[in-house]
Amino acid sequence: GIQVEQSPPDLILQEGANSTLRCNFSDSVNNLQWFHQNPWGQLINLFYIPSGTKQNGRLSATTVATERYSLLYISSSQTTDSGVYFCAVEQGFKTIFGAGTRLFVKA
Amino acid sequence: EPEVTQTPSHQVTQMGQEVILRCVPISNHLYFYWYRQILGQKVEFLVSFYNNEISEKSEIFDDQFSVERPDGSNFTLKIRSTKLEDSAMYFCASTRTGSGQYFGAGTRLSVL
Repeated sequence: GIQVEQSPPDLILQEGANSTLRCNFSDSVNNLQWFHQNPWGQLINLFYIPSGTKQNGRLSATTVATERYSLLYISSSQTTDSGVYFCAVEQGFKTIFGAGTRLFVKA
Repeated sequence: EPEVTQTPSHQVTQMGQEVILRCVPISNHLYFYWYRQILGQKVEFLVSFYNNEISEKSEIFDDQFSVERPDGSNFTLKIRSTKLEDSAMYFCASTRTGSGQYFGAGTRLSVL
């Protein structure tokens, strides 16, 4: 089946720093989403981005479907950005999550 | 803003008992999903559901599991005879064509 790999697995940032999270997938997909799982376990929908670039405040994402990767950019990080960031891809009616990037932002 | 609602937030059960986890998807969504997340691990797909039937299911979704949309608003996951390894957070999600999936807050299932 399709493999979804995220990097880095762990990331520690000083508040105000920028970062890039990567998601590679091994086969063509219908859709791709980025989620933030906050410390309370909630999965928050960040971007629905099967291709192209989108921005939402300090966050932006780019998916290059032909090269099978997506990037999530976090600028001017804040302590509230801490948590786990998941990439999830859809093939048909099945959704596969990556293992996530665990981010900790220090004050 | 519309949201996916899951009940209960925490369910404790004895091994071998049946449990039903409930979800109310966003009202104009047509595609529904169940996932589970064992503590500290990644989110695992269980099943997708459209037009009152299962669209796809994973290897985890064996004969112990079933899903149902009993009325126009609820979407349920039943585990017939719970095992210790079924202890996890269970998430429901819904979507419509051209949109991302929206997740409920989850039900934490503890099997003793």
